[in-house]
Amino acid sequence: DAGVIQSPRHEVTEMGQEVTLRCKPISGHDYLFWYRQTMMRGLELLIYFNNNVPIDDSGMPEDRFSAKMPNASFSTLKIQPSEPRDSAVYFCASSFTGKDIQYFGAGTRLSVL
Amino acid sequence: QKEVEQNSGPLSVPEGAIASLNCTYSDRGSQSFFWYRQYSGKSPELIMFIYSNGDKEDGRFTAQLNKASQYVSLLIRDSQPSDSATYLCAVTLSGGYQKVTFGTGTKLQVIP
Repeated sequence: DAGVIQSPRHEVTEMGQEVTLRCKPISGHDYLFWYRQTMMRGLELLIYFNNNVPIDDSGMPEDRFSAKMPNASFSTLKIQPSEPRDSAVYFCASSFTGKDIQYFGAGTRLSVL
Repeated sequence: QKEVEQNSGPLSVPEGAIASLNCTYSDRGSQSFFWYRQYSGKSPELIMFIYSNGDKEDGRFTAQLNKASQYVSLLIRDSQPSDSATYLCAVTLSGGYQKVTFGTGTKLQVIP
């Protein structure tokens, strides 16, 4: 299996622009997680899905952030409008029911200028 | 009080020594405990998990869990420079199956 695949690997954008991050979980995994990592706050859970349904979005910082999972093999995290304080590494991870070990993608490094 | 706490380090040990990394958690009902290793610029990678009190060994790594003290540790024997990384403690809190909370990590430096 190719593992969790995220795109793009790097994103540089200007403040106010829309940013879309993408994730393909490991085939057969029914849980998908979005995290944000910064030096100051460490690894923070933003939202997670089970069987494509959002279960807990309490970590989403504000309404500028939204996430969708239209099918079992694809999820997006969108920031609109983006702000410099959104600059961070965003990770996607997946796992499956009965095994709470999460496997991480390579991450997307976002820089908002 | 943070849900999962770790000393940020850096923890410096000489090559060949034992590195001891510690983690405490606040939720007494926590069920699953993990150690992830993260190299600079890379994603977290699972190296150990433990569910029951006691020790669990895998090669040079030993995870130790003490639920009464709400304490998890990771021992790395015969430390190598390639072990230099940030080690993240993660805990599945009670009532949040599959939802894992991470500590901020301990940076380990193994000095050749």
